[in-house]
Parts: sequence; C-alpha cells; structure tokens
Amino acid sequence: DGGITQSPKYLFRKEGQNVTLSCEQNLNHDAMYWYRQDPGQGLRLIYYSQIVNDFQKGDIAEGYSVSREKKESFPLTVTSAQKNPTAFYLCASRQRGSPLHFGNGTRLTVT
Amino acid sequence: QQQVKQSPQSLIVQKGGISIINCAYENTAFDYFPWYQQFPGKGPALLIAIRPDVSEKKEGRFTISFNKSAKQFSLHIMDSQPGDSATYFCAASGGNNAGNMLTFGGGTRLMVKP
Repeated sequence: DGGITQSPKYLFRKEGQNVTLSCEQNLNHDAMYWYRQDPGQGLRLIYYSQIVNDFQKGDIAEGYSVSREKKESFPLTVTSAQKNPTAFYLCASRQRGSPLHFGNGTRLTVT
Repeated sequence: QQQVKQSPQSLIVQKGGISIINCAYENTAFDYFPWYQQFPGKGPALLIAIRPDVSEKKEGRFTISFNKSAKQFSLHIMDSQPGDSATYFCAASGGNNAGNMLTFGGGTRLMVKP
C-alpha cells in the first residue's frame, strides 16, 4: 500500500534537546510538507519542499529545520530554540493537481 | 495574512440530525476549497472539495455549499452517525499562494450522540 509513514508515533524529550521526526513516503510525490497541530489552531505550515534538495519556510519555521536529500524522505528537526515544541506534528505530500495526503502524525512531548 | 475562519469550534448533534460547519475566507483569489476529516490519533483525510464555479457539491451524506459573494462555504452532514464523530477542517488555496499552499481553518470537533 502506498502512503506516508511517520515515526515514532509518540516521542518524549527533555527541554534543551534537539529531536528529529521521520517522514517517509512511497507515493512518488514531488512535494512534501510539515504541519504542526495544536488544539483550536488548526494546521500551521512549518516547512515545505517541492523538489529534492530544496525547501522553503512556512508560517512558523522558527526553531525548526528540515532536509530533503531524497524524494521519499523529509525529516523535521525540532531544535532547542523552539519555545513551545509540545504538539502533534503531521507530515503530508502531494503531486501537482492532486489532494494533500497526510501521515498519521507524531505526538511530541517536551518536559 | 491569508485566513480561513471556521465555526463552531465544537458541535454536538443527535444521531440522524444535520451537522453544519461554516467557514469564511478573505482572499478572493482562492479557488479550491477542501474539507478534511480527522479521527483521533490519525492524520486528516480529504472528505470532499469544491471549486467556485459551482454553488453546491454532494457526495453521499456530505454536501458543500459555496457562496462566492459572501466568501463563505459550509459542510453539511445529513443523517449524522456516531461514526462521523471526528474533527473537521476546512481549507482554501489558490491565487498568489506560492506552491498552492492550503490555508486551514481552526477545526470543528463533532460529536454525534447515539
């Protein structure tokens, strides 16, 4: 089955530590996205990439970094500079003209 | 800043009733309006979408109504079932939005009581 795999499902970290969230897709989609979901705030775009080795900042990129070395993979690093990192993180992908497909998310808790 | 405002934040409906969720947008260049359904612990999934050349689109029990002049669109769930209990997001894209990004509403948590 084609889809988007996010791992792990739950992640716990101590404040001050960087953490990397994995996102892999086998849909052969060119574009990939990271969203953050907080209660009552909808989905906010962190970073997106429309092609390998290129990515752009979304609305809330501060404190995050990404890489896109392979078409299938778009990992997100939550750095210690992110003031409020506890959230549900969603990875998505799409092909031009087609709907956005989401993974099942990673719930990050930082204490 | 481009915005999509969604209401209500939460909604409780009896089984068999009609669930109505409303969204309003500001950018007149938006030309694609999808609705996503999200179950707890899962990612959102596309439910139904509309473009502004039609005022209504129906798929089974789900209908989008679109009012271009008012810059509003809504999701109607007919004969609501407990299995419809989920969070619903409206979204919009188009115009000068680089990369054709979706702008999402804040979400509506729907509970359908048996």
